[in-house]
Amino acid sequence: RKEVEQDPGPFNVPEGATVAFNCTYSNSASQSFFWYRQDCRKEPKLLMSVYSSGNEDGRFTAQLNRASQYISLLIRDSKLSDSATYLCVVNIRTGGGNKLTFGTGTQLKVEL
Amino acid sequence: DAGVIQSPRHEVTEMGQEVTLRCKPISGHDYLFWYRQTMMRGLELLIYFNNNVPIDDSGMPEDRFSAKMPNASFSTLKIQPSEPRDSAVYFCASTAPDRGLGTGELFFGEGSRLTVL
Repeated sequence: RKEVEQDPGPFNVPEGATVAFNCTYSNSASQSFFWYRQDCRKEPKLLMSVYSSGNEDGRFTAQLNRASQYISLLIRDSKLSDSATYLCVVNIRTGGGNKLTFGTGTQLKVEL
Repeated sequence: DAGVIQSPRHEVTEMGQEVTLRCKPISGHDYLFWYRQTMMRGLELLIYFNNNVPIDDSGMPEDRFSAKMPNASFSTLKIQPSEPRDSAVYFCASTAPDRGLGTGELFFGEGSRLTVL
């Protein structure tokens, strides 16, 4: 089983729609959680952290369910510019230190 | 401020040749990471350094891969000999001491796209 799993998509949605991505992780010792965004042929960039109580940043809402080992990202009122791949990232403590493990990403295409 | 700088941006080589990828982290960052990205496997951590010392190299696929960080401003990832299955985008990333891995904020370079024929 992969350490971090995501539905690869693509999710094709019309502009203005609400879309949600899910992510599951296998290591219960995972300590912290993040969403990154990666545009086509570009490098990944941090979108937002995911806090236990859930958190919002404008149109983006992230939630964490430690019991189910599940993370989500909700995008409201989606824009054309939201088209990208969204990567779920988990910080896992290993024998060698901390390790940021990336999911393979979920592709979002927002259309007119 | 300059971000993470990687070179070359693109490399096409033949199987069996040596490949050297280079990275300059952001000044003042004490963690440096090498990741490999493919469509099938996504972003995989190969190795990371803290204060120029390799901390976890468990992701290095095999002995053909080696990485060094001779000083705080430079790192190399070498593949010798290269094989077609090494074709991927190789990213270098760094993070700052006051951020650490707990914040999850890695600053990535633009990547080196490697094609091995």
